[in-house]
Parts: sequence; structure tokens; C-alpha cells
Amino acid sequence: EAGVAQSPRYKIIEKRQSVAFWCNPISGHATLYWYQQILGQGPKLLIQFQNNGVVDDSQLPKDRFSAERLKGVDSTLKIQPAKLEDSAVYLCASSLQIRETQYFGPGTRLLVL
Amino acid sequence: AQSVTQPDIHITVSEGASLELRCNYSYGATPYLFWYVQSPGQGLQLLLKYFSGDTLVQGIKGFEAEFKRSQSSFNLRKPSVHWSDAAEYFCAVGAFTGANNLFFGTGTRLTVIP
Repeated sequence: EAGVAQSPRYKIIEKRQSVAFWCNPISGHATLYWYQQILGQGPKLLIQFQNNGVVDDSQLPKDRFSAERLKGVDSTLKIQPAKLEDSAVYLCASSLQIRETQYFGPGTRLLVL
Repeated sequence: AQSVTQPDIHITVSEGASLELRCNYSYGATPYLFWYVQSPGQGLQLLLKYFSGDTLVQGIKGFEAEFKRSQSSFNLRKPSVHWSDAAEYFCAVGAFTGANNLFFGTGTRLTVIP
């Protein structure tokens, strides 16, 4: 069974530029999560989708971050404009349904200069 | 609100020695509890989970964890550590209700010396 796929694996941008990350969850998983992991910290949930609807985006900085999951499968997370403090690893996870075990992708490491 | 404390930032053990990583949680109801491992440059891999039932949970790679409600703890153990166990370990707590948000601790980095 294929795992959660993410791309790109690494991205370096300058502040005020925009960037987008892509995630393809495990086939058949209805719930998709985006986490931000700052160096030295545990992952923090940014947004959670159930199919193509948002379940929780209370921790998403909506003035600069946006995410979508239009067809209820893959998802895109965008940052526009990026700030230095956005440097982090962005992890995507999926689960069969809400309250099922979450499986994580390899992450996208973002460096904002 | 949920929270997780991993009091040990960094632990060093010798190969073959036993290991215990501490995790304390705060949650008002019965929690889901997880241990994940993260190798450098990799995503998180699930080691084991506790939902209900037997409080001693067996996981992959020879790890186990014990849920102690009275101490609000979910410590991870392994009787004999291998060099390949060197990684970052995260404890997480989730809720039975609501959106199933996972709250992670800050992690414990494990170094294994020969």
C-alpha cells in the first residue's frame, strides 16, 4: 500500500515570495491533515479536511496561509507572502476517517531567507 | 484542552541497554495516546497507540508503552536498544470527540552509543 506522498521535499524561498506544497493521501482515506513542525518542536495542526470540507482550521494563519482539497483526494497548502518564521517542515497526514490512526508523509522542508 | 509533556529533551543510552521515554498528558476525558518516531529527514512513523482496553500496549520494533491513568502517563519502553533506534520520539494525545486533533509533545531525541 502506497503511503502519503508529498512534494516538493525541499524548498528555499525569499521572504514575501509565495510557495505551494502538494499532498496525496493514502488511497481511500477521507481525512487529511496539514501540520507545521518548527525545528525543536512537535508538529502543530494547521488544518484538517474531511473529504473536501474543512473540519478544523482554527490554527491556520488565514492572512497568509490557504489550503484546499477540491476533489476530496489530494490537497495543496499555500503560503503567500512567506515570512521568516514560516521556516519549518510541513507534514501531511491522512486517516481512514476522523478518529482513526493518522499516517504521515515525509514532509516538505521550507527555508525562508 | 489537551497538552503533552515530554520532560526529557535528549537521552543517551548504550546499545543493548534498556530505554524508557517519559510522556505525561493533560486531558479532561479518556484520551487516545500515541507514540511516533521520526528519523532525520523523514516523516513520523507510528510505533504504537492506546485507544482502550489493556493498558500495556505492544508496538513495532520491540517497543511497548503503559497507560497509567492515575499518573496521566504513557511511557515508552524497550528492553534492549539497537543503534537503529536513534531518532526523535514524539508522544501525542488525541480526543475521542470532535475533530480528532492530535497534540504533540516537543519530542525526545535518542542517541545510541556503541
